[in-house]
Order: sequence, then C-alpha cells, then structure tokens
Amino acid sequence: AQSVTQLGSHVSVSEGALVLLRCNYSSSVPPYLFWYVQYPNQGLQLLLKYTTGATLVKGINGFEAEFKKSETSFHLTKPSAHMSDAAEYFCAVTHGYSSASKIIFGSGTRLSIRP
Amino acid sequence: EAGVAQSPRYKIIEKRQSVAFWCNPISGHATLYWYQQILGQGPKLLIQFQNNGVVDDSQLPKDRFSAERLKGVDSTLKIQPAKLEDSAVYLCASSLQGGRTSPEQFFGPGTRLTVL
Repeated sequence: AQSVTQLGSHVSVSEGALVLLRCNYSSSVPPYLFWYVQYPNQGLQLLLKYTTGATLVKGINGFEAEFKKSETSFHLTKPSAHMSDAAEYFCAVTHGYSSASKIIFGSGTRLSIRP
Repeated sequence: EAGVAQSPRYKIIEKRQSVAFWCNPISGHATLYWYQQILGQGPKLLIQFQNNGVVDDSQLPKDRFSAERLKGVDSTLKIQPAKLEDSAVYLCASSLQGGRTSPEQFFGPGTRLTVL
C-alpha cells in the first residue's frame, strides 16, 4: 500500500526566504512522485514530477524537489519565496503507468508568505 | 490546448436533494477521474474511468453516488440524495494512460458543493 505524509499543515515564511515543504512517502515498489499546487478556487496544477532518472527535479515557478530513496522523502524547495507562491501544496505518489495506477495525495500544506 | 472543463462551478442544495456535475476532459485523454476534496484535506479518488469502463470505484459511496462516461469522453457524477457531509469540492481530472505515457493528471477547476 502507498501513502504520503506531509509534515506541517501550515508553513509561513517571509518574502525572499527559503521555502521548504516536507513530504515523506511509503511505497513497496519504486514510486513516481508529484507536487501539485492549488490556488484558491482553482483545481490542482502540476509543479513537478519524479519518474525515473535524475533525483533532483526542477519544476515551474522556480520550485525543485529531490527524491531521496534512503529517506523516503521528496521535499519541495524554492530559494526565494514570492508573494504569489501563497497557495496549498499537495505531494502525491503513484507506482506505475498502468491504467489501474492510482495517485494518492497527501493532506496538503498551506504556504503563507509574509511581506 | 483546452484544459479540463467542469460545470457548474458552484452549487448550493438542501440535504436530500439531488445534484449532478459535468466534466469534459482534455481531448484524447483516455482516463478520467472524479475526486472529492473536503476542506483541509487532499483529494480523495471516487472513481476512475478508462475510456467508458470503470477501473476503480472502490471509494465511491454507491448507495448515493453514481457516475457515467457513456461515450468515453464527457462524464457526469450524481449524488442522490445528498447529505451534509457531501459538502466538498468535486474535482475532475484526466490523463493519457497506458503504455509508457506519464501518469500525470490534469485537473479541472472543480465544483464547490454546499449542502444545507
């Protein structure tokens, strides 16, 4: 069975500061990992994904995440926060390309940016 | 490329009434998903279609929820009768599934349902 744990339901950082959103996963097979962002009253938008290959993945809006198998983690970072980064962020895991693959979402982390 | 379309965007009903949501996935996407997102939680999969067949409906409350995708394109999700705990955002997503295609899902804007 797969699961995702996002540590911290709410993270607040100052504008220009480092953003770090934590995600740990559990999977019995090699995982595929995602970070999605959700702005108010909108659907989820893919930030970045890890499938195979390079463990450091770069996404949109300056975000990146590193897959660490030994730590079962996929933390999301951004060197310098911008006010427009305020949103809800979801980490998600799945295990394959088949039509039966299910994506499991974490409970989300709300990111607030202080001026 | 047009994204996933959903309607209505907002719906307010009283408990025991019925409601239906509509989703039009991205053209060519074989797989369609309906999720329920309760405030403060991540999306929970209700049902997954591959073309017009159901792949997974294990978390769909079948006594009150139903969904169909008759021609393998558009889909409707119905709740009858609605309960207070059905208040949530209902998200539709689609993906190119199968083979070596990435399992990335593309989401619509969602329908916010309030049951009074």
